[in-house]
Amino acid sequence: SQKIEQNSEALNIQEGKTATLTCNYTNYSPAYLQWYRQDPGRGPVFLLLIRENEKEKRKERLKVTFDTTLKQSLFHITASQPADSATYLCALARNFNKFYFGSGTKLNVKP
Amino acid sequence: EAQVTQNPRYLITVTGKKLTVTCSQNMNHEYMSWYRQDPGLGLRQIYYSMNVEVTDKGDVPEGYKVSRKEKRNFPLILESPSPNQTSLYFCASSSPGGAASGSLDEQYFGPGTRLTVT
Repeated sequence: SQKIEQNSEALNIQEGKTATLTCNYTNYSPAYLQWYRQDPGRGPVFLLLIRENEKEKRKERLKVTFDTTLKQSLFHITASQPADSATYLCALARNFNKFYFGSGTKLNVKP
Repeated sequence: EAQVTQNPRYLITVTGKKLTVTCSQNMNHEYMSWYRQDPGLGLRQIYYSMNVEVTDKGDVPEGYKVSRKEKRNFPLILESPSPNQTSLYFCASSSPGGAASGSLDEQYFGPGTRLTVT
């Protein structure tokens, strides 16, 4: 099955800096990829979606890139704030509706 | 308010005692899915459904059953729970993103059900 790798170590950054999270995958290329935020004790919340024919998507302070050659997606949060502290999950869609999630990267933004 | 609800939120049971976790959504979504989340393993898809009476296996379907008799409901059934099914379970719903999109829209997740099987 598909293997998704996200940095299991927490990412600690200073407020105002740009946070960059990595999602690497093996095997087949996904049809599209989603990023979610998860806070402790809660369900994931959708942030962005990028399709295999798209290189980059933006939404406010968020940006996601998708490189099918490197088999990698990068998720950026610019001007990070303490409120951005959470675990971020990437999810790859096989075909249209079967999903594989990474285990997530915990982001800590320090004031 | 658009939401996905799950019941119960917490459940402690014993090995072999059949149980059902309910999931309901009020957004008229065609797609519904069940995931389990375990430390270090992330979310793993158990079953999904593209519409009423249409269900498919995800990555870890063994030991689980589902049914989709109504569009809004997608219960998860554990016929004979075992300790290795102790986990945090999430239900999610979504809709196709349009004929040309080739994707589902965002998934809306429920609050989770923490199941312990002793």
